[in-house]
Amino acid sequence: DQQVKQNSPSLSVQEGRISILNCDYTNSMFDYFLWYKKYPAEGPTFLISISSIKDKNEDGRFTVFLNKSAKHLSLHIVPSQPGDSAVYFCAASATQAGTALIFGKGTTLSVSS
Amino acid sequence: KAGVTQTPRYLIKTRGQQVTLSCSPISGHRSVSWYQQTPGQGLQFLFEYFSETQRNKGNFPGRFSGRQFSNSRSEMNVSTLELGDSALYLCASSLGGRRKETQYFGPGTRLLVL
Repeated sequence: DQQVKQNSPSLSVQEGRISILNCDYTNSMFDYFLWYKKYPAEGPTFLISISSIKDKNEDGRFTVFLNKSAKHLSLHIVPSQPGDSAVYFCAASATQAGTALIFGKGTTLSVSS
Repeated sequence: KAGVTQTPRYLIKTRGQQVTLSCSPISGHRSVSWYQQTPGQGLQFLFEYFSETQRNKGNFPGRFSGRQFSNSRSEMNVSTLELGDSALYLCASSLGGRRKETQYFGPGTRLLVL
């Protein structure tokens, strides 16, 4: 049973526009969420995180929003750039799981120029 | 500072064999975690080592094991390989092994079991 779901396998966006990647979770014990980006032949690279005590966190072009009541988070990339084309993974963490991250299956973002 | 390195990058084995993968964390990092990535299951946590001790383990059979050395380098071993073990194996390191610390991933070892 998947605890972290990324229901859109792919997303295509034009350069300069906003990219919105979505993630849903089922485990109410998750209290820390992360987004990773992965290029082919490389390991995932940390992008941004958010604790459950917040509903928004920004870092440059990247903003993560958390809606705890809906068990939903989203990653906004503004403006999108061709170099953002990659697979994006949502991950979650809970105290009882220690440092283990529970990942979604990823969304492939394609940004066209 | 050098990133997380994993060796070998690619490996082909046959069913029934065993395999050992290696991970060198970022210098100074004491925690190493291992993940398996497959198309069907995505990224799944295998185990975490901190100060040479396994601190956490995911839901994988006992054929999957690991260890960590005093210099924080870690190895992962899979015995009696099955076709379903074909995957990308990723390791990640973090400085102090605290839950909300950033984990930095290596490029992975791609294992193909024939």
